[in-house]
Amino acid sequence: SQQGEEDPQALSIQEGENATMNCSYKTSINNLQWYRQNSGRGLVHLILIRSNEREKHSGRLRVTLDTSKKSSSLLITASRAADTASYFCATDAGDSWGKLQFGAGTQVVVTP
Amino acid sequence: NAGVTQTPKFRVLKTGQSMTLLCAQDMNHEYMYWYRQDPGMGLRLIHYSVGEGTTAKGEVPDGYNVSRLKKQNFLLGLESAAPSQTSVYFCASSYAGGAYEQYFGPGTRLTVT
Repeated sequence: SQQGEEDPQALSIQEGENATMNCSYKTSINNLQWYRQNSGRGLVHLILIRSNEREKHSGRLRVTLDTSKKSSSLLITASRAADTASYFCATDAGDSWGKLQFGAGTQVVVTP
Repeated sequence: NAGVTQTPKFRVLKTGQSMTLLCAQDMNHEYMYWYRQDPGMGLRLIHYSVGEGTTAKGEVPDGYNVSRLKKQNFLLGLESAAPSQTSVYFCASSYAGGAYEQYFGPGTRLTVT
């Protein structure tokens, strides 16, 4: 079963625009991570936010976490064509083994 | 550093055949994971290992076996392949469990006919 569910499933924007995607999950978590996957490649870690954090930034990325609503959002500002990829949220339920549960992902296409 | 590598990149099997997927990491990570990715779904954990000589079942372990004889290697075996095992398989490693990022290999695309 999937813990996280991303919304929207697909997003098409132009370069320079912001892209926002959301992740909802079902059970309590220790942390939530976002990963990017370029077509035909492995996943690359973007950012990790712990359950006691509300917001985190990394370059053009901004992640928020609302544990009361069991949801997170990923904002990519000033998008570039190179941001075209699928983005996944993954939750760690906290048994310390690092077992992640992934959502189905948001496919983002950035056109020049 | 090569990071996480996977062998082979592609494979076609007939139903009932067996094969082993090899994952290797050169980051001295303790934890290693095998996932499968199917269209329209996120990654699902098959098996994982928290150290040399240890293995444990993940979310979808049936039909697969694993071994971690050396710290740097994590092998995934299919003893009798089924069409339902057609998927892309990813290996990942991390320094430890909990709040540590996972580093992924490039994947193995397996088709079972």
